[in-house]
Amino acid sequence: KAGVTQTPRYLIKTRGQQVTLSCSPISGHRSVSWYQQTPGQGLQFLFEYFSETQRNKGNFPGRFSGRQFSNSRSEMNVSTLELGDSALYLCASSLTTSGGTEAFFGQGTRLTVV
Amino acid sequence: SQQGEEDPQALSIQEGENATMNCSYKTSINNLQWYRQNSGRGLVHLILIRSNEREKHSGRLRVTLDTSKKSSSLLITASRAADTASYFCATVPLTGNQFYFGTGTSLTVIP
Repeated sequence: KAGVTQTPRYLIKTRGQQVTLSCSPISGHRSVSWYQQTPGQGLQFLFEYFSETQRNKGNFPGRFSGRQFSNSRSEMNVSTLELGDSALYLCASSLTTSGGTEAFFGQGTRLTVV
Repeated sequence: SQQGEEDPQALSIQEGENATMNCSYKTSINNLQWYRQNSGRGLVHLILIRSNEREKHSGRLRVTLDTSKKSSSLLITASRAADTASYFCATVPLTGNQFYFGTGTSLTVIP
């Protein structure tokens, strides 16, 4: 079965712009989580969606938002981009939202803000 | 921050040797998972150990968990050049589905 697909793979944006990243989870998985990975802060949890509802949110400013569609695909949006938003954004899908199972990660979207 | 810590930060060994990396965390957990990441790409799940388990094996991998010390270790036996990657532990809290990742260990296996 197909893995987690993230698009686009690479993105270059200018400060102040906004960006939308997309994630298609594994078929049948209803939980989608997003993580930001930077050299300085490591991997940090952004938010989790399950059945179109945000279940949990990490400690990020309101410029970071997301949503999930009825087919479980998810998007995350970052508005008013800052240089510090340059990172690898990873999406993970899992079968449940209970935390008891493994997560499957996409290849990530590498965002560069200039 | 609930982020865990791993040590060593970097490890370089010869092919065929064993590699051990350690993870410490801060809060009570549902389970702890280990992931591998190759050069800035996605994470690949290696093994999951639940809070009521002490040891788990999967192929050349052996994971231990000591909840009293809030620590875990990952042992890779008979390492191969293809094992070169960064390894992360991730803890899952008692409620919720978010992962708290450790700082990672960069493993280099020299052929």
